[in-house]
Amino acid sequence: ETAVFQTPNYHVTQVGNEVSFNCKQTLGHDTMYWYKQDSKKLLKIMFSYNNKQLIVNETVPRRFSPQSSDKAHLNLRIKSVEPEDSAVYLCASSFSYEQYFGPGTRLTVL
Amino acid sequence: GDKVKQSPSALSLQEGTNSALRCNFSIAATTVQWFLQNPRGSLMNLFYLVPGTKENGRLKSAFDSKESYSTLHIRDAQLEDSGTYFCAAEADTGYQNFYFGKGTSLTVIP
Repeated sequence: ETAVFQTPNYHVTQVGNEVSFNCKQTLGHDTMYWYKQDSKKLLKIMFSYNNKQLIVNETVPRRFSPQSSDKAHLNLRIKSVEPEDSAVYLCASSFSYEQYFGPGTRLTVL
Repeated sequence: GDKVKQSPSALSLQEGTNSALRCNFSIAATTVQWFLQNPRGSLMNLFYLVPGTKENGRLKSAFDSKESYSTLHIRDAQLEDSGTYFCAAEADTGYQNFYFGKGTSLTVIP
């Protein structure tokens, strides 16, 4: 099966903790992305990675960092979570800008 | 202001009827994508457009880069068409920078 996979589906944590979300794509794409979708369903791009190079970083707080081991994986680490980080984090991949999304990871910060 | 404005924000359709969704851009969009987010949260890619039109079954989409808008037409609406429709524009910045609209929440009623 070729798709975009994300783990975990859900994560609940407390303010100040570190979290890490995984994303893997088996579509053979060369670019991967992380998006944040807030409670109002607003989608904002956070990062995009092409051949291990960060292409776009949309004024994301420094506590967020993408981590890539190869072009099929792009993880997202949050060093010290804040309440406003509660959201759904969506991973996507593309070859020629046509994007395919994973199912998302819902983060709740208590 | 919003770089991508979607309208309407919400819509109810009788099963079997037709409707159109619209996105207006205040950026120089080079490509447009339309997605459907189902109630479980999965984002499904519907169309990827350069200026022009595409059709897939009961869906048809158009993108006019000169007039800075895109439309998604739904013909013979079915219950499974319910969900939130998002358009996303790729900005002409030289980077892969995507901007999403706020979505149109569509409910198809029997």
